[in-house]
Amino acid sequence: GENVEQHPSTLSVQEGDSAVIKCTYSDSASNYFPWYKQELGKGPQLIIDIRSNVGEKKDQRIAVTLNKTAKHFSLHITETQPEDSAVYFCAASLYLFNKFYFGSGTKLNVKP
Amino acid sequence: GAVVSQHPSRVICKSGTSVKIECRSLDFQATTMFWYRQFPKKSLMLMATSNEGSKATYEQGVEKDKFLINHASLTLSTLTVTSAHPEDSSFYICSARGGGSIQETQYFGPGTRLLVL
Repeated sequence: GENVEQHPSTLSVQEGDSAVIKCTYSDSASNYFPWYKQELGKGPQLIIDIRSNVGEKKDQRIAVTLNKTAKHFSLHITETQPEDSAVYFCAASLYLFNKFYFGSGTKLNVKP
Repeated sequence: GAVVSQHPSRVICKSGTSVKIECRSLDFQATTMFWYRQFPKKSLMLMATSNEGSKATYEQGVEKDKFLINHASLTLSTLTVTSAHPEDSSFYICSARGGGSIQETQYFGPGTRLLVL
């Protein structure tokens, strides 16, 4: 089955700096990659996603890049703000198939 | 759009009792719903997948007689923890996947914190 690895497990940045979180996956058939943000005591919220036919996708301060050959994808957050502090999870799945394979999560701390 | 609710948000129960958690898709029809369990500072652990009108598919190691899942309509799935014990205490989160343009992703509920005394 699919195996998703996520790094780093914790990340501290100064407000205004950029943050990058990386994930690798093992199954070359995976073709859908969402990113979720989870605040303490809440459910994960979808923040951005990308399909395998696209190399990069951007939404304001958030971007995701995908390298299918190397089987890795990354989340980029620019101009970080304290409210970006949360745990971020990446996931991989086959399009329209049921199961999501989640990474282990990255706790992002943005220091004011 | 794509809002998922869960009820209750918190529940405390005595050991041996059963607890039911509801998961609703508020503004879309959920063809598939998922139930996860999350331990503190850990990732999401998929427990089961349910399709409306069908029996749930449980992940390996999850006791289907202990965690009863019902997906009776396109907007409601329930998870019943039967004969709960302290080790069942956890954060339970549901997610839902719909059709059309949102069919590829999962939208999560806010979670239910279960404490078994």
